[in-house]
Amino acid sequence: NAGVTQTPKFQVLKTGQSMTLQCAQDMNHEYMSWYRQDPGMGLRLIHYSVGAGITDQGEVPNGYNVSRSTTEDFPLRLLSAAPSQTSVYFCASGTGAYEQYFGPGTRLTVT
Amino acid sequence: KQEVTQIPAALSVPEGENLVLNCSFTDSAIYNLQWFRQDPGKGLTSLLLIQSSQREQTSGRLNASLDKSSGRSTLYIAASQPGDSATYLCAVRPGIYNQGGKLIFGQGTELSVKP
Repeated sequence: NAGVTQTPKFQVLKTGQSMTLQCAQDMNHEYMSWYRQDPGMGLRLIHYSVGAGITDQGEVPNGYNVSRSTTEDFPLRLLSAAPSQTSVYFCASGTGAYEQYFGPGTRLTVT
Repeated sequence: KQEVTQIPAALSVPEGENLVLNCSFTDSAIYNLQWFRQDPGKGLTSLLLIQSSQREQTSGRLNASLDKSSGRSTLYIAASQPGDSATYLCAVRPGIYNQGGKLIFGQGTELSVKP
């Protein structure tokens, strides 16, 4: 199993551009989620999904969209990038009452 | 609102020492608690998961305990090694019912083990 994969690893955007961060898992996990990690703020939940077709907002959802059309994929869309969205983004997946597994992260810089 | 705190923010110990990392949370209604390790520039590696009904979990030199009533968890590392140097994060899954993969994280303890 590849586990949780994220692409790209690094990205630089200009303010106002849009992009999609990709996340995929091959463990048939029902739960998937997106976090951002910022110095001094720790990891904060952006959006999460409890199954295909079901998504909900986390603590910091503004400026981000998600959809989950398949069990395996959970892309995160930045609609109009802002410098405040410069961060490291982590995708996670898990099932039931068990552990959550994290991807390697995407480092995003918005100039 | 659930808040998770980890103290100290940084810790430096000599190799071979046993050490304890602390995690506290404000609301005892948690589904489970998970400890992670994060190396610089890397993702999170799961170390231990404790369900709300459990008191402790062990894996090798690591032992995690949970006291829901006092809102505390500890991660005990025995015979520390330089390879244990990393940031350790605790995260709670809030609520008494399973609400999916939502986790609330502490800000981590940065551990340095000196040879």
